[in-house]
Amino acid sequence: EDKVVQSPLSLVVHEGDTVTLNCSYEVTNFRSLLWYKQEKKAPTFLFMLTSSGIEKKSGRLSSILDKKELFSILNITATQTGDSAVYLCAVETGTASKLTFGTGTRLQVTL
Amino acid sequence: GAVVSQHPSRVICKSGTSVKIECRSLDFQATTMFWYRQFPKQSLMLMATSNEGSKATYEQGVEKDKFLINHASLTLSTLTVTSAHPEDSSFYICSARSHVLAGGYNEQFFGPGTRLTVL
Repeated sequence: EDKVVQSPLSLVVHEGDTVTLNCSYEVTNFRSLLWYKQEKKAPTFLFMLTSSGIEKKSGRLSSILDKKELFSILNITATQTGDSAVYLCAVETGTASKLTFGTGTRLQVTL
Repeated sequence: GAVVSQHPSRVICKSGTSVKIECRSLDFQATTMFWYRQFPKQSLMLMATSNEGSKATYEQGVEKDKFLINHASLTLSTLTVTSAHPEDSSFYICSARSHVLAGGYNEQFFGPGTRLTVL
C-alpha cells in the first residue's frame, strides 16, 4: 500500500520566520511528488518534482526532492500571515497517475 | 489555468436519501476525473478514478454500489451517494485531468469541493 507521511502535523510560527515542511513516501511506480496549499476549499498547486536534487522556487517558497532517501521538503522563507494554510504533499504513481496524499501540515503564521 | 466546478457547494440531506454531486471541467476536456473525500482535519483520500465512457475504478474499501460514479462526457462526472448515512458526511472534492494541457505533466485541476452533511 502506498504511503505518504508529512511532518510536523502542525506548526505555529511568527511572521518573518522560515519554516521547513517534510514529506516522506513509500510507493510503487513513482512518477512525481507534488505540493499543494489548501486554505478553505480545494488544494492549489504549488510544485511538481520529478528529479532529485533540483530545487524548484516560486517567490518565498522552494522545494526539493531526494529520490534516494524518498523524501521532499518545502521551505517557506519570511513567512506571512497569508501563508497560513494546510500544506499537502502528494505522490503520483502508476500509469493512471493516481495521487496519494499525505496527512498535511497545518501552518499558522501569527503576527 | 483550467477551471473545474462542483455543484452543489454544500448540501444537507436526511439519512436514507441519495445525493448527486456534479463535477465539470469548464474550459477543457477531462479524459480522467478523480473523486476524493476529506474528513475534518484529515487529508484527501482517493475514492475512485473515472475515465470518460468507461466504468470507474474504485479504491480498496470504497463501496461502488454506494458511491455511484458516472463520467458520461468529457466535461462532466457525477458522484451519487446512495442511501446516505451520517458517517458519509464529509467534504467531497473532484479533480480533472486533460492530456491536451499536459505540457509534459498531466496536472490535476481540483474543484472547490462539496460539503455533504447527512442528518
